[in-house]
Amino acid sequence: QQQVKQSPQSLIVQKGGISIINCAYENTAFDYFPWYQQFPGKGPALLIAIRPDVSEKKEGRFTISFNKSAKQFSLHIMDSQPGDSATYFCAATTSNTGKLIFGQGTTLQVKP
Amino acid sequence: DTAVSQTPKYLVTQMGNDKSIKCEQNLGHDTMYWYKQDSKKFLKIMFSYNNKELIINETVPNRFSPKSPDKAHLNLHINSLELGDSAVYFCASSQRALNLEETQYFGPGTRLLVL
Repeated sequence: QQQVKQSPQSLIVQKGGISIINCAYENTAFDYFPWYQQFPGKGPALLIAIRPDVSEKKEGRFTISFNKSAKQFSLHIMDSQPGDSATYFCAATTSNTGKLIFGQGTTLQVKP
Repeated sequence: DTAVSQTPKYLVTQMGNDKSIKCEQNLGHDTMYWYKQDSKKFLKIMFSYNNKELIINETVPNRFSPKSPDKAHLNLHINSLELGDSAVYFCASSQRALNLEETQYFGPGTRLLVL
């Protein structure tokens, strides 16, 4: 059972465009939702995260939108750059487990 | 200095062999993790140790045995390797366990290929 579903699997965006990656979860006990960025040959690294009592969080060109009633959240990358080309993972966790449950990942390619 | 390091970076071995992967973190963190990333890039937690104590043990074949000699090191030993064990194994660490907003810092990964 996939607890966190992520889409699309892959995404191609032109430089300067907006990249949007969506995630949906089932477990209402999840109470923290980080996004990780992974470059080829590297380990994932935390990009941005949100708690469900907030509907939006912005850090630079990266924004998380959160819809608690729909159990969905998404990552928006504004003014996408070729250097943003990477695999992005949404994740979810609960305070009493410490376990990160990852989505399937989205491979983003930003074309110059 | 690398925060979370793993050795080896690449590991090619025959089916049935036993191998170990080592992980060290110099961040002073209390908690360390092992993740498996399959060929489709799906990441799944395997184990977690907090200050040398096992706190997360997912449904993993008992051929996989983690060992934490101290809180800065977490090793993964795999017995009787199978073709399906081929994957990238990531070690990670965080300051504390069971703290909701703890950032997990990942190592560079060990690419295991079982022939």
